[in-house]
Amino acid sequence: AQSVAQPEDQVNVAEGNPLTVKCTYSVSGNPYLFWYVQYPNRGLQFLLKYITGDNLVKGSYGFEAEFNKSQTSFHLKKPSALVSDSALYFCAVRDGGRNAGNMLTFGGGTRLMVKP
Amino acid sequence: EAQVTQNPRYLITVTGKKLTVTCSQNMNHEYMSWYRQDPGLGLRQIYYSMNVEVTDKGDVPEGYKVSRKEKRNFPLILESPSPNQTSLYFCASSLVRGRTDTQYFGPGTRLTVL
Repeated sequence: AQSVAQPEDQVNVAEGNPLTVKCTYSVSGNPYLFWYVQYPNRGLQFLLKYITGDNLVKGSYGFEAEFNKSQTSFHLKKPSALVSDSALYFCAVRDGGRNAGNMLTFGGGTRLMVKP
Repeated sequence: EAQVTQNPRYLITVTGKKLTVTCSQNMNHEYMSWYRQDPGLGLRQIYYSMNVEVTDKGDVPEGYKVSRKEKRNFPLILESPSPNQTSLYFCASSLVRGRTDTQYFGPGTRLTVL
């Protein structure tokens, strides 16, 4: 069974500082990894994904994520946080194995608070 | 405008009263899915559909039904709602069947079952 863990319920960071939101995963085959963001009273919006290739993936709004196969991690990062980045962030994984199904499994979410 | 729409956005109902939450997408997407979001649990997949007349169970299908008679619509049916189905529900769609595809989410339906 596939799973995703986001170990921090909340991350607090000052505006202008770098931020990291952590994600680790477990799948049988190759992982397809996604980050989504949810603003208050809104649906989820896609930020970025890793399918194959370069381990560093760049996405929307200046976010990036690094795929680390040995640590089974896909941490979300941004060099300089903005107050407007404050939101709920979800990591998700699909199993890319040949016989895997099409379920997308989400982590529990991490609330990012950026203070002025 | 490309979008996924859900109706209603908010619903308060009573135990046992059948209800349907509609989902529609205008992007000609093949794949559609329903999730529920609960605090601390993230999003859990209820059902998904690979194409018209093709549906599969997700992580938490109990107490829910779906149908996919048309490509654009994927309604979620609660035949006999119970209080433990109080949650925030999201519909999502993606272009093709591939597991690499990005999903587009609707705005959510907040359901309260009394």
